[in-house]
Amino acid sequence: RKEVEQDPGPFNVPEGATVAFNCTYSNSASQSFFWYRQDCRKEPKLLMSVYSSGNEDGRFTAQLNRASQYISLLIRDSKLSDSATYLCVVPGGGSTLGRLYFGRGTQLTVWP
Amino acid sequence: DGGITQSPKYLFRKEGQNVTLSCEQNLNHDAMYWYRQDPGQGLRLIYYSQIVNDFQKGDIAEGYSVSREKKESFPLTVTSAQKNPTAFYLCASSITSGSEIDNEQFFGPGTRLTVL
Repeated sequence: RKEVEQDPGPFNVPEGATVAFNCTYSNSASQSFFWYRQDCRKEPKLLMSVYSSGNEDGRFTAQLNRASQYISLLIRDSKLSDSATYLCVVPGGGSTLGRLYFGRGTQLTVWP
Repeated sequence: DGGITQSPKYLFRKEGQNVTLSCEQNLNHDAMYWYRQDPGQGLRLIYYSQIVNDFQKGDIAEGYSVSREKKESFPLTVTSAQKNPTAFYLCASSITSGSEIDNEQFFGPGTRLTVL
């Protein structure tokens, strides 16, 4: 089983829509998680960190379900500028402490 | 401004040639990483280094080599032994404290390598 699994999409939504992405992880000992955003042909940039049950930042909400080992990212009132690929990221532990495991990314396109 | 720089942005090489990609950071981060990204794929770890003069293989180290002689620099050499080197190469750095919470990684702008 891969360390991180994501639905690759693509998700195509109109402006103003609410969209949610899910991600599952295999390491039950992981304590913190990240969502990165990657624009086309650019480097990934940190969008949100999740250390407890969830985190909210404006239109973005990240939630963590440790029992089911999944993380979600909710985007409300989508903007055209939200179009990007969203990467779910889980830190390694034990012998892989210091590593991050990246999902393949979920592609989002917001249309006018 | 603090950050990570990678050069060059675009690189072309002939098959059979070695090429070295530069990565420099002035964030005073202990750990540095090299990833490869292919179209429609996630990031795959090539090599990483958590401290100067030490580095570990990632998941796809074959055909690559690195050095970490200075804290600020982590160059990656793509050798002729790498069968499919055309890809987007990303360098990243992070604080290493032994805690997961500090593991946020900051990325450079990347180098696009094309083998002709």
